[in-house]
Amino acid sequence: EVQLLESGGGLVQPGGSLRLSCAASGFTVSSSAMSWVRQAPGKGLEWVSTIKTSGENTYYADSVKGRFTISRDNSKNTLYLQMNSLKAEDTALYYCAITKKGYWGQGTLVTVSS
Amino acid sequence: AIQLTQSPSSLSASVGDRVTITCRASQGISSALVWCQQKPGKAPKLLIHDASTLETGVPSRFSGSGSGTDFSLTISSLQPEDFATYYCQQFNSYPLTFGGGTKVEIK
Repeated sequence: EVQLLESGGGLVQPGGSLRLSCAASGFTVSSSAMSWVRQAPGKGLEWVSTIKTSGENTYYADSVKGRFTISRDNSKNTLYLQMNSLKAEDTALYYCAITKKGYWGQGTLVTVSS
Repeated sequence: AIQLTQSPSSLSASVGDRVTITCRASQGISSALVWCQQKPGKAPKLLIHDASTLETGVPSRFSGSGSGTDFSLTISSLQPEDFATYYCQQFNSYPLTFGGGTKVEIK
């Protein structure tokens, strides 16, 4: 059974940094393109970033480009999202997902506030 | 970036009703579209992939159709557990995008 477990969310001040982790089980993270998707409180889903199987091809939403970095550690079977220069508008529940296959974690909440 | 416009943004319907939600892409995306369902406090659940292929385990009252720029999700007979928010997502090109969502409420 595929499971995705996010961690690393929390309260951070504007301009701060956080690193989200997504521990995968039931499959290997290098075998599929994996994404981060976020959902601001009361709002819709927003795609944030994807890393392809090669690990070299990464993609970002314009709203996070230059501030967020997606990566993975195959030895730990874990996906990451390094988030720098955080803004209030980054406040959201962040999901790790393989949306095309219907695999989603339960999300980790990031709150950016002073 | 490809924009996905869902309509309506919300609807009220009764159990047993036939419901159709549309998703229009700003440019052609072939059949690179999925539909998912989200209930409050839960992660989204995949219903349809490749525009019209029902995900394993999803009830047959759900169906998807379309290709190119115009897509639809139909629930043939709405059930109490179907009251939720529905999203389309395109995989044709990056940045990937979601539609704005359609909230299906009880009339």
